[in-house]
Amino acid sequence: QSALTQPASVSGSPGQSITISCTGTSSDVGSYDRVSWYQQHPGKAPKLMIFDVIKRPSGISNRFSGSKSGNTASLTISGLQAEDEADYYCCSFGSNSTWLFGGGTKLTVV
Amino acid sequence: QVQLVQSGAEVRKPGASVKVSCKASGYTFTSYAIHWVRQAPGHRLEWMGWISADSGNTKYSQKFRGKVTITRDTSATTAYMELSSLRSEDTAVFYCARGRIGGINFDYWGQGTLVIVSS
Repeated sequence: QSALTQPASVSGSPGQSITISCTGTSSDVGSYDRVSWYQQHPGKAPKLMIFDVIKRPSGISNRFSGSKSGNTASLTISGLQAEDEADYYCCSFGSNSTWLFGGGTKLTVV
Repeated sequence: QVQLVQSGAEVRKPGASVKVSCKASGYTFTSYAIHWVRQAPGHRLEWMGWISADSGNTKYSQKFRGKVTITRDTSATTAYMELSSLRSEDTAVFYCARGRIGGINFDYWGQGTLVIVSS
């Protein structure tokens, strides 16, 4: 299984909004509403930001939102803040009860 | 509170094996599964496999099948990930994360365990 496809990097200014895409196939993203997003700061464990495409865990800011269309899921971060600068990974449930992560996107807040 | 605490860093020689533990607390261990995720230096997250803490049933990524064995000890509320026939390319940080079949997954993560393979 290949990784889900994410842009290598995105950037935005404080206060702006950015969107990170995550493209899979009809065997994973396109077939299941089990897409999640993770934030990872350097040297730290990943942190769950969005699950089941659109849901936010308790304690996660509503500046983070998720969506999906066909085989592509997206994470939008509005009102960018300096602390949002991190790596972001998508993940999808897939065929044969397996899970697949994306290649990761480095978000820079300039 | 939910916690997953992993064992400490390990150094192994090529050809050896290593077993990493993940001690769970703060929830009913057998109501969830445990995933294992690899992250090589400067690289992406890779899902390796998971184990149902209740039944002990496992599922592995095709990439890691035959390379990794995931087990659990319900009395110790601990999951284990063993890697065999280590090579330098296996050097990575390994994370455990909680999961729930049909429910939310990867909601809590361990702190990660660095495994270095070097002669």
